Amino acid sequence: NAGVMQNPRHLVRRRGQEARLRCSPVKGHSHVYWYRQLPEEGLKFMVYLQKENIIDESGMPKERFSAEFPKEGPSILRIQQVVRGDSAAYFCASSGKGGTRVNTEAFFGQGTRLTVV
Amino acid sequence: DAKTTQPPSMDCAEGRAANLPCNHSTISGNEYVYWYRQIHSQGPQYIIHGLKNNETNEMASLIITEDRKSSTLILPHATLRDTAVYYCIAGGQGAQKLVFGQGTRLTINP
Repeated sequence: NAGVMQNPRHLVRRRGQEARLRCSPVKGHSHVYWYRQLPEEGLKFMVYLQKENIIDESGMPKERFSAEFPKEGPSILRIQQVVRGDSAAYFCASSGKGGTRVNTEAFFGQGTRLTVV
Repeated sequence: DAKTTQPPSMDCAEGRAANLPCNHSTISGNEYVYWYRQIHSQGPQYIIHGLKNNETNEMASLIITEDRKSSTLILPHATLRDTAVYYCIAGGQGAQKLVFGQGTRLTINP
């Protein structure tokens, strides 16, 4: 049973380009979360999605960032017109649905390390 | 989510028990205590969680004080592979919107 799969693991973009980060949750999980970790800092929540719906995007920057989790396929975090300050590790996590205790553990992927040059 | 306070770093000898404290004095009645760890920039790994009773699993034990204002994560027989940053999170039920602080950097020494 594969865990959360993120790709690419490393991504280099020039300033002004677009970055697309993909996340395939654990099979059967319908809740996906994106976190960002700047160098030498803790993880910061960005967005929480359920299939086709954004539930909480309170941690997303207001511009250039968007996320989706379509009915079919992986979740995508998209960063338009990247700047040097976007360089960070981006982690995706997923959790199952259902009863209270079933939904308590988040499974994290290995992250995508974005470098903007 | 309640704020948590952890020591920035701790050391422990290999084979000994590692006891990681966490203060969460503003925790509300329905907020759980979760522990995750992050090994060398890998994705965080869930360890354990609890509400008010002590919990134990194959990785660790979680001791929560009766007033729920603090807790201790215990790794009973620490190994070198347990070297990581450990995060204590007090929050609403579920895996939603985990608020990671700075955590405790635990170093296991041979």
